Amino acid sequence: GESVGLHLPTLSVQEGDNSIINCAYSNSASDYFIWYKQESGKGPQFIIDIRSNMDKRQGQRVTVLLNKTVKHLSLQIAATQPGDSAVYFCAENSYGGFKTIFGAGTRLFVKA
Amino acid sequence: DAGVTQSPTHLIKTRGQQVTLRCSPKSGHDTVSWYQQALGQGPQFIFQYYEEEERQRGNFPDRFSGHQFPNYSSELNVNALLLGDSALYLCASSLRRGTDTQYFGPGTRLTVL
Repeated sequence: GESVGLHLPTLSVQEGDNSIINCAYSNSASDYFIWYKQESGKGPQFIIDIRSNMDKRQGQRVTVLLNKTVKHLSLQIAATQPGDSAVYFCAENSYGGFKTIFGAGTRLFVKA
Repeated sequence: DAGVTQSPTHLIKTRGQQVTLRCSPKSGHDTVSWYQQALGQGPQFIFQYYEEEERQRGNFPDRFSGHQFPNYSSELNVNALLLGDSALYLCASSLRRGTDTQYFGPGTRLTVL
């Protein structure tokens, strides 16, 4: 399949280590935030979301942190696995929920 | 339970031509959004359809138009194709106008020569 994110920021981690991917969002009125994973040749896959009335939410091996003061979002992946290698996008939902704005993305490489 | 499906997978057109891309939403979803993803970038919102109407539009020219059918499937039409329209076109479906989780299809890769 085609490559996604040829010139994106890259994070390289060792298998088994924890990964932290950061994102700065743009609109202080956004109230819903989502992390997506995109593998080469595929569409974005939902990972986890968080609403603005929360500052932390945990899923299976993933945690999202939201800091509204500095408009910052992070995704933490515990015990990173080779299958986690992909491009990760943060996204924010604005304007009453119609329009989702994606960030630039971060490429995660997991070294075995 | 079928997820979001899109057709065709790949498409090659020449400048000035017109193209129609198709999307079937995830079972039970009533809202379809379309995105354009250029190589190396995040998806850019084109527009969203709910109840067969365009609810909001991103910063795309009128050459981009769409339609939603009573069964919630959708089409994206692009007229007068430009080289810069070459991209991966993604369809996402959700329930209730996108305030719930959006699920994406695999996309249609459009190449304009």
